[in-house]
Amino acid sequence: LAKTTQPISMDSYEGQEVNITCSHNNIATNDYITWYQQFPSQGPRFIIQGYKTKVTNEVASLFIPADRKSSTLSLPRVSLSDTAVYYCLVGDSDQTGANNLFFGTGTRLTVIP
Amino acid sequence: GAGVSQSPRYKVAKRGQDVALRCDPISGHVSLFWYQQALGQGPEFLTYFQNEAQLDKSGLPSDRFFAERPEGSVSTLKIQRTQQEDSAVYLCASSTRLRLNSYEQYFGPGTRLTVT
Repeated sequence: LAKTTQPISMDSYEGQEVNITCSHNNIATNDYITWYQQFPSQGPRFIIQGYKTKVTNEVASLFIPADRKSSTLSLPRVSLSDTAVYYCLVGDSDQTGANNLFFGTGTRLTVIP
Repeated sequence: GAGVSQSPRYKVAKRGQDVALRCDPISGHVSLFWYQQALGQGPEFLTYFQNEAQLDKSGLPSDRFFAERPEGSVSTLKIQRTQQEDSAVYLCASSTRLRLNSYEQYFGPGTRLTVT
């Protein structure tokens, strides 16, 4: 079971770029890396997913080094509304019966005006 | 379009009571997940359905927890003889694809269960 390690919390000023790194030393060959965002009293929301190198969408970028033992979620120019908990999720994409979805405690990002 | 809905949003139960939590996934989504989220913690996997088949229930904490999805759409999580440690937010998620982690999961708002 590939588990993850993230910083417990981070603070950032509005307009800055925020990078949140996740360690997953035991990642398996078939595992994908997925990041979710969760606001209070809401369910998590998918942000981005990748397997290797770099993935970019309209809200974030995901950087994955060649060994895939870590990944970095990059949020460009954060705003107050980006204050949330961010979860790094690593799991096996092929096993339909395995319990391998592990959210961890996430990183609580606080954006300061 | 309609997302994943859960009902009730809040439930208060006395210790020992049975509760039933409902999840309406996005129409057509094959996969359905239940998670339990304690205060200040990340969601923890409970069980997984592919259509009506419960393929993984290894996360259910005890035999007091039971989940079903008889017609492959709506799902119910039932907790019998509730205990105080069952107090948590119960999240339901659905997805279109069959493989566990190579796709986006759509989460509902959750049901906050408080056992007194």
